[in-house]
Amino acid sequence: GAGVSQSPSNKVTEKGKDVELRCDPISGHTALYWYRQSLGQGLEFLIYFQGNSAPDKSGLPSDRFSAERTGGSVSTLTIQRTQQEDSAVYLCASSSGQGAYNEQFFGPGTRLTVL
Amino acid sequence: SQQGEEDPQALSIQEGENATMNCSYKTSINNLQWYRQNSGRGLVHLILIRSNEREKHSGRLRVTLDTSKKSSSLLITASRAADTASYFCAPRRGSEKLVFGKGTKLTVNP
Repeated sequence: GAGVSQSPSNKVTEKGKDVELRCDPISGHTALYWYRQSLGQGLEFLIYFQGNSAPDKSGLPSDRFSAERTGGSVSTLTIQRTQQEDSAVYLCASSSGQGAYNEQFFGPGTRLTVL
Repeated sequence: SQQGEEDPQALSIQEGENATMNCSYKTSINNLQWYRQNSGRGLVHLILIRSNEREKHSGRLRVTLDTSKKSSSLLITASRAADTASYFCAPRRGSEKLVFGKGTKLTVNP
């Protein structure tokens, strides 16, 4: 595809339900990031995948959050037992590698609302 | 990885004026990138300046980097209403992951 895509674009769920957010990075990009942005706030780093290396999960806020990346391409962010404070825009980004000068390409985000 | 701190947090100017945003960071870097975000959606890469560069231009954008002060500035000249957005800096050292701060929210009034 031409860019990073994310689905769904909007998700409304009830407190306690599980949700899955999907990210399709640019073809051939080996690095993939997930960020979270609450209303009016900056970006909060969640997790980083680079090639076949173990992911950097240092930003995941709790064990209710997990992410996987299958076949080095599509990634899914799963939030279990959602809470109202999980409401935010979840952004995915990819870049072409580990190089220090690579720019990140962002998807349009998924707006999650937990009622 | 390190996070840049943008200043000011918010900036409001009239169309045609110049807008200057600043970024400070703490440790040595290879490069510093600036991104723009419209309406709370995905960020768009604007410009990258390398640690051995002092100034870089791209259209109406001018970026400076002072590694001795560990700071960078983004200047948007002759601003337009369409420049209204949040702007983020991302200092980078080696191949570490990019992290972002709270950004500067720019409002350009027509």
